[in-house]
Amino acid sequence: KAGVTQTPRYLIKTRGQQVTLSCSPISGHRSVSWYQQTPGQGLQFLFEYFSETQRNKGNFPGRFSGRQFSNSRSEMNVSTLELGDSALYLCASSLRRGREETQYFGPGTRLLVL
Amino acid sequence: GESVGLHLPTLSVQEGDNSIINCAYSNSASDYFIWYKQESGKGPQFIIDIRSNMDKRQGQRVTVLLNKTVKHLSLQIAATQPGDSAVYFCAESYQTGANNLFFGTGTRLTVIP
Repeated sequence: KAGVTQTPRYLIKTRGQQVTLSCSPISGHRSVSWYQQTPGQGLQFLFEYFSETQRNKGNFPGRFSGRQFSNSRSEMNVSTLELGDSALYLCASSLRRGREETQYFGPGTRLLVL
Repeated sequence: GESVGLHLPTLSVQEGDNSIINCAYSNSASDYFIWYKQESGKGPQFIIDIRSNMDKRQGQRVTVLLNKTVKHLSLQIAATQPGDSAVYFCAESYQTGANNLFFGTGTRLTVIP
């Protein structure tokens, strides 16, 4: 079974631009979560989508948003990029919701904001 | 627990030795814990998990120990191999109905051949 895939793998943007990242979960998985990883803050939860609805949200500004499609694929969008948004953005999928569901991560999209 | 600003602990071991990586978690309500391994340029890879009704769980070459009294988690890797070199994260989950994970700061394991 194919793992979680994320596109693009690398991205360079400038301040003020917006960016959209894509995530395809493991086949059959319905929950998709997004995380931001930086050297300074580590791995932090952004939000979770299940059945096309955002179910849970971390402590990030409204510039960070996402959506999920009927095939469970998900996108996240960051508007008005700031230098501090440079990070590795990770997507994780799990079969169901619930705090004992194992999440499997994709390789991430590395975003550099100049 | 939640990562706060980060000095990454490091652990160096000789190939063939056993490794023990420790993690202190933050929330006494946490009832599900996972260890992930992250190699350079890759996403976290699931290693092993444990629920709070257990204090030990074994996998292939790995054992996770949970001490709820002191909110401590450890990962033991037997016969450490060069391919085990990576950053290891513990993660906890405690939000009812949600599956967002709270990650520790990570430990960098270096295996010396």
